[in-house]
Amino acid sequence: GQQVMQIPQYQHVQEGEDFTTYCNSSTTLSNIQWYKQRPGGHPVFLIQLVKSGEVKKQKRLTFQFGEAKKNSSLHITATQTTDVGTYFCAGHSGGSNYKLTFGKGTLLTVNP
Amino acid sequence: NAGVTQTPKFRILKIGQSMTLQCTQDMNHNYMYWYRQDPGMGLKLIYYSVGAGITDKGEVPNGYNVSRSTTEDFPLRLELAAPSQTSVYFCASKDRDTEAFFGQGTRLTVV
Repeated sequence: GQQVMQIPQYQHVQEGEDFTTYCNSSTTLSNIQWYKQRPGGHPVFLIQLVKSGEVKKQKRLTFQFGEAKKNSSLHITATQTTDVGTYFCAGHSGGSNYKLTFGKGTLLTVNP
Repeated sequence: NAGVTQTPKFRILKIGQSMTLQCTQDMNHNYMYWYRQDPGMGLKLIYYSVGAGITDKGEVPNGYNVSRSTTEDFPLRLELAAPSQTSVYFCASKDRDTEAFFGQGTRLTVV
């Protein structure tokens, strides 16, 4: 079945440093979504990318979808303590718009 | 709009006991999901449903059962609780091509 791999598993940064997490799928994705889960909380949707090569920005967050629609990345510029949490990617594939497969997530901690 | 509501928030079960985790959504979403999240780990899909009366297994269905008699409700049943089922359980719903909305989670401990 479809697998979605995410690296790194953990990342610790000093406040103000940049952060990137990468997501790779074993199959071509129809779209990819990113979620953030604060410690003790539930996953909350951040963004969806649909088009090959798409780039979207949300303030200090930049999301990219690969040309082959099998990989994606999330980059945070100048991290803040409010960025702490686990970032998950999730993808639909195989023509399915209902079966959402999540990566294992990247836990980001920020030292003030 | 309450979104996705899960009950209970916390529960301690003894080995062999049974319980039902409740999940209801008021967004009229067709698709609903149950995930479990072990400490420091990602989300594993237990069961999902694409509409009332239709359910299917995810990647870790053993030890669980679900039903979907209405669009709003998607309960998850544990028949014979085992320590390996200690986890945080999330219910989620979505519609076609949209994002998933998650409940607050149920923290279950089996002792």
